[in-house]
Amino acid sequence: DAKTTQPPSMDCAEGRAANLPCNHSTISGNEYVYWYRQIHSQGPQYIIHGLKNNETNEMASLIITEDRKSSTLILPHATLRDTAVYYCIVRSYNQGGKLIFGQGTELSVKP
Amino acid sequence: DAGVIQSPRHEVTEMGQEVTLRCKPISGHDYLFWYRQTMMRGLELLIYFNNNVPIDDSGMPEDRFSAKMPNASFSTLKIQPSEPRDSAVYFCASSLRTGPGGTQYFGPGTRLLVL
Repeated sequence: DAKTTQPPSMDCAEGRAANLPCNHSTISGNEYVYWYRQIHSQGPQYIIHGLKNNETNEMASLIITEDRKSSTLILPHATLRDTAVYYCIVRSYNQGGKLIFGQGTELSVKP
Repeated sequence: DAGVIQSPRHEVTEMGQEVTLRCKPISGHDYLFWYRQTMMRGLELLIYFNNNVPIDDSGMPEDRFSAKMPNASFSTLKIQPSEPRDSAVYFCASSLRTGPGGTQYFGPGTRLLVL
């Protein structure tokens, strides 16, 4: 399984864009990049996933570099409710149901 | 939709006692997952089921842990006998399918404290 590297913590001002980086330099061709987040004391929540094209949904945008070795999750207008631990996960289609969570990035959105 | 339902939400027990955690997945979901979260080890997958059949139990820590899924709407995770190191938050999740589109939906978790 490709491993991911994320900064342990980040701060963001409320209303500004939060850009969360993830390094996955050993990613293979059939592996997708997933992002989940965990708000304190809650279960993890799916945000977005992608293979090689940039993706956008109502929660966030995912930008994957052309060589696929890194990606950035963008929360366009962060709110206090976005304060959470954000997990970047790499998983292949054939990996079944396994989600291997690393330590994630603890994002603090400040007023 | 009520989402994934777990019970109890909190459990305090004494070492050596049997503990049973329960999960009701989202209706229609074919996959059910049990995770454990601790400060030391983070979030780790214990076992998952597809159509009520265990597919991968490689994360189950030892024989004291067992999981069953008698039907599509119910699963249990049992610890017998429990030990203080089993104290953790246990999450259940379900999904329609695995693969790229298989979003996992997590329950609120059961916070277990073994004294």
